[in-house]
Amino acid sequence: QKEVEQDPGPLSVPEGAIVSLNCTYSNSAFQYFMWYRQYSRKGPELLMYTYSSGNKEDGRFTAQVDKSSKYISLFIRDSQPSDSATYLCAMGNTDKLIFGTGTRLQVFP
Amino acid sequence: DAMVIQNPRYQVTQFGKPVTLSCSQTLNHNVMYWYQQKSSQAPKLLFHYYDKDFNNEADTPDNFQSRRPNTSFCFLDIRSPGLGDAAMYLCATSGPLWGQGHNQPQHFGDGTRLSIL
Repeated sequence: QKEVEQDPGPLSVPEGAIVSLNCTYSNSAFQYFMWYRQYSRKGPELLMYTYSSGNKEDGRFTAQVDKSSKYISLFIRDSQPSDSATYLCAMGNTDKLIFGTGTRLQVFP
Repeated sequence: DAMVIQNPRYQVTQFGKPVTLSCSQTLNHNVMYWYQQKSSQAPKLLFHYYDKDFNNEADTPDNFQSRRPNTSFCFLDIRSPGLGDAAMYLCATSGPLWGQGHNQPQHFGDGTRLSIL
């Protein structure tokens, strides 16, 4: 079993839709949770960073962490074609950071 | 703008011919990382530097080496590239606020795509 599981997609949605991206993990010691966006032929770009459980909102993006279920989510409201990219979750503790394989999102006009 | 810059963006080399990839940063971060990312896979950490302190991952092949001559620059050397080393190589940095823990947000360059002939 991988430490971090992420559905590769692709996830295809119309412009304006609410997008939900998710990751599950197995290591209960993980305390730090991040979401990165990676456009084609570019490096990952940090979107959201959260510590422990709870919600964090930044503009159209909301990150949720449920440590009891070992489940994290990224919600994108009013999705735009420019949101089309691969979204990588990453999580860990001070000893290591583990990335998911990424979910490819396509937002069509 | 402060950033992480990788050169070249695309590198083609021959099987077994040594190659060096470079990374520079203007963020003044003390931690620098090298990752290997293959298509549709998660970035895989190869090694990282905390200042001049080199930390190798246990499963990183001996074929991969790194140098960090100063805070701003870091190099990835592949001594004898094989076909399986074709990948995107990503450099990342993280800041000094919380020590060398891997929990800090990492800032990535746009990568070098390495092809092996």
